[in-house]
Amino acid sequence: RKEVEQDPGPFNVPEGATVAFNCTYSNSASQSFFWYRQDCRKEPKLLMSVYSSGNEDGRFTAQLNRASQYISLLIRDSKLSDSATYLCAVNQAGTALIFGKGTTLSVSS
Amino acid sequence: DVKVTQSSRYLVKRTGEKVFLECVQDMDHENMFWYRQDPGLGLRLIYFSYDVKMKEKGDIPEGYSVSREKKERFSLILESASTNQTSMYLCASSLAGGNYGYTFGSGTRLTVV
Repeated sequence: RKEVEQDPGPFNVPEGATVAFNCTYSNSASQSFFWYRQDCRKEPKLLMSVYSSGNEDGRFTAQLNRASQYISLLIRDSKLSDSATYLCAVNQAGTALIFGKGTTLSVSS
Repeated sequence: DVKVTQSSRYLVKRTGEKVFLECVQDMDHENMFWYRQDPGLGLRLIYFSYDVKMKEKGDIPEGYSVSREKKERFSLILESASTNQTSMYLCASSLAGGNYGYTFGSGTRLTVV
């Protein structure tokens, strides 16, 4: 049962590039959506929530497509410090977050 | 900042030992969670709790139990440690309801030999 799926990558991009990740979810009753960032040997940290109307935080934009059941994360003007694993997470009412396995991003100079 | 503290960063235990992993949060969060993270398998939910003395099984509860006697503390217990329980264990907490992201502790890397 694969409830939340992500392309594992790795995505290798040069500094300044724009990169996008998608995450699909199988349960149409899912209600809350998040993107997390995880650095090597560290805990996941909340990057941003994903709202139906989409949301933006600086160089990061998150979007939700309920009809096609996916969320996306767009990173513009990539920095070396953006290199990390990005996890999507999906919640249904009354349960805990289900995480994707993560997409690895490597930004090079 | 919300702080979730896990008692040990690294732990080595022998097969058959009873192991306690402790997690404490300081922001009065109602919800607490235990995940394990393994290469290629991602984060998998073991148990969670919405309130004191309440617990719910996650996707992989076998071989584990939990205790939540106080709101700020959520303990994971390995009843009889086995080598396949070698993993990174992550505790998390959140406000009540499903609309809030989680704050994770820094993890406990458990090795069972």
